[in-house]
Amino acid sequence: GQQVMQIPQYQHVQEGEDFTTYCNSSTTLSNIQWYKQRPGGHPVFLIQLVKSGEVKKQKRLTFQFGEAKKNSSLHITATQTTDVGTYFCAGRKISNFGNEKLTFGTGTRLTIIP
Amino acid sequence: GAVVSQHPSRVICKSGTSVKIECRSLDFQATTMFWYRQFPKQSLMLMATSNEGSKATYEQGVEKDKFLINHASLTLSTLTVTSAHPEDSSFYICSAGQGASDGYTFGSGTRLTVV
Repeated sequence: GQQVMQIPQYQHVQEGEDFTTYCNSSTTLSNIQWYKQRPGGHPVFLIQLVKSGEVKKQKRLTFQFGEAKKNSSLHITATQTTDVGTYFCAGRKISNFGNEKLTFGTGTRLTIIP
Repeated sequence: GAVVSQHPSRVICKSGTSVKIECRSLDFQATTMFWYRQFPKQSLMLMATSNEGSKATYEQGVEKDKFLINHASLTLSTLTVTSAHPEDSSFYICSAGQGASDGYTFGSGTRLTVV
């Protein structure tokens, strides 16, 4: 079945430093989504990327979708304590029958030293 | 924005009993809802896709008779953990989406502890 891996598993940075998490799927994706889950909370949708090579920005966050639509990255510039949490990519696939499925990556847990 | 309400948030039950978890889309209709399971410090594992008016689609390895899903209306899906055992203790979370261009909205999750 489809597998979605993320690296690194954990990232511990000083406040103000940059952070990047990488996402790789074993299969080509229809599109990819990114979610943030705070400790003790539930995943919150951040963004969806659809086109090959697409780049989107949200303030200090930059999201990129690979040309082959099998990998993606999230980069945070100048991290703040509010960025703490686990970042998940999720690959969206639509079957021949029109059913959709979201497969979550393994996640990258970001902790920040104030 | 879209809101998904999930209840209860926490439940403790005895081995052998059943627990029902509700997931409601409050301000939109959801023909499809998803149920996930998450172990501590791990990712979300899709258990099943709940389809309004039809049978749920279960992922490989998920027991249909143990995790009963009912999606009786466009705003409500329920997951019943039958004959619960301690190994069923986990964080169960549902989600629903509004459209192909939108992300999914997650409920706040249910932490199940079976003693």
